[in-house]
Amino acid sequence: AQSVAQPEDQVNVAEGNPLTVKCTYSVSGNPYLFWYVQYPNRGLQFLLKYITGDNLVKGSYGFEAEFNKSQTSFHLKKPSALVSDSALYFCAVRDGDNQGGKLIFGQGTELSVKP
Amino acid sequence: NAGVTQTPKFQVLKTGQSMTLQCAQDMNHNSMYWYRQDPGMGLRLIYYSASEGTTDKGEVPNGYNVSRLNKREFSLRLESAAPSQTSVYFCASTYSPYNEQFFGPGTRLTVL
Repeated sequence: AQSVAQPEDQVNVAEGNPLTVKCTYSVSGNPYLFWYVQYPNRGLQFLLKYITGDNLVKGSYGFEAEFNKSQTSFHLKKPSALVSDSALYFCAVRDGDNQGGKLIFGQGTELSVKP
Repeated sequence: NAGVTQTPKFQVLKTGQSMTLQCAQDMNHNSMYWYRQDPGMGLRLIYYSASEGTTDKGEVPNGYNVSRLNKREFSLRLESAAPSQTSVYFCASTYSPYNEQFFGPGTRLTVL
């Protein structure tokens, strides 16, 4: 069965420092991996995805993520955090064998960037 | 383009009442999804429609029904609301399973 784990409920970072939000996954086939961000009282916004190809994926707002097949991880990173990056971040996975495009979401990580 | 729209934005129901949450997308997407979001549990899939004319159960379908009215619209019905259905409900759509899903703004539902 598919599953996604975000081991940290909250990540605290100082503005200007690098940030990492962790995600590990489990699927039976090839993984399709996604990161979304949710600002308060809003819907989810797509940040980036890994389908195939380069392991380092670049996305919106300066975010990037590295796909690591051996560690079954897809950590979200940003070289220099902004206060405006403070939000709830979700990792999601779709099994390549899964018809219908169903996503399984992690429980979310609250990112807090302090000035 | 409006993207994915949901109505209503807020709703308060009494236990046992029924209601329908509406979702529409104007991006010509084939697949549509209903999720619920509860604190500490991420998003859980209730029902989905891979294409017009088909619907399937997700992870937490009990107490809900859906209708894919046409390619644009996908509604979620609560026949007899229960306090356990208090949640924020999100509709999403995508052109294909290889693409990202686009989310609506959500409906915040409280069942008393």
